[in-house]
Amino acid sequence: DTEVTQTPKHLVMGMTNKKSLKCEQHMGHRAMYWYKQKAKKPPELMFVYSYEKLSINESVPSRFSPECPNSSLLNLHLHALQPEDSALYLCASRPIPGQGDNEQFFGPGTRLTVL
Amino acid sequence: KQEVTQIPAALSVPEGENLVLNCSFTDSAIYNLQWFRQDPGKGLTSLLLIQSSQREQTSGRLNASLDKSSGRSTLYIAASQPGDSATYLCAVRRSDSWGKFQFGAGTQVVVTP
Repeated sequence: DTEVTQTPKHLVMGMTNKKSLKCEQHMGHRAMYWYKQKAKKPPELMFVYSYEKLSINESVPSRFSPECPNSSLLNLHLHALQPEDSALYLCASRPIPGQGDNEQFFGPGTRLTVL
Repeated sequence: KQEVTQIPAALSVPEGENLVLNCSFTDSAIYNLQWFRQDPGKGLTSLLLIQSSQREQTSGRLNASLDKSSGRSTLYIAASQPGDSATYLCAVRRSDSWGKFQFGAGTQVVVTP
């Protein structure tokens, strides 16, 4: 299995809702990432997990809450979002140095719309 | 702070022509550089990864070069096809253990039949 999967593909939520995005990989990668991408812009890093521990938080607002319950799964919990949070949310994974190549693999993304 | 620039921002070529896409970065202390393709509204597909010790990588019609000292990488796509129409992004990985990548803004490519 050489892919990163993300669910749901599309999500529409109100500003008072609580929802979660899910990302899964079975490549044995021990680094997992959340990115946010606005239209016609490059991906912006949000969080990095290394060995299931949060290693980088790029000053993301607390209405975004990441979780890594095991080495294959990465969640992003959403609460009280704003319309400007509407974007494509991308998950990626990568082998830790020492496990071979350091190529980054991306999932197809979740298109989030906040009303 | 590492800055990554891709020029041109958009490119249109007739089918069969070779594509040349440029990526420049300001800090040469990189671990590797990765080229991606992104179709509209989709995720990123990895095309080529070049380690900092390498000068080039090839895969089929794709060839990517890296000149770390001058802070440049070039992606060549030979004999372009309409299916090559997409946005191409380069990402530079810092020389640290957490693997933080810095992306360029991308080059939007249209190949006309």
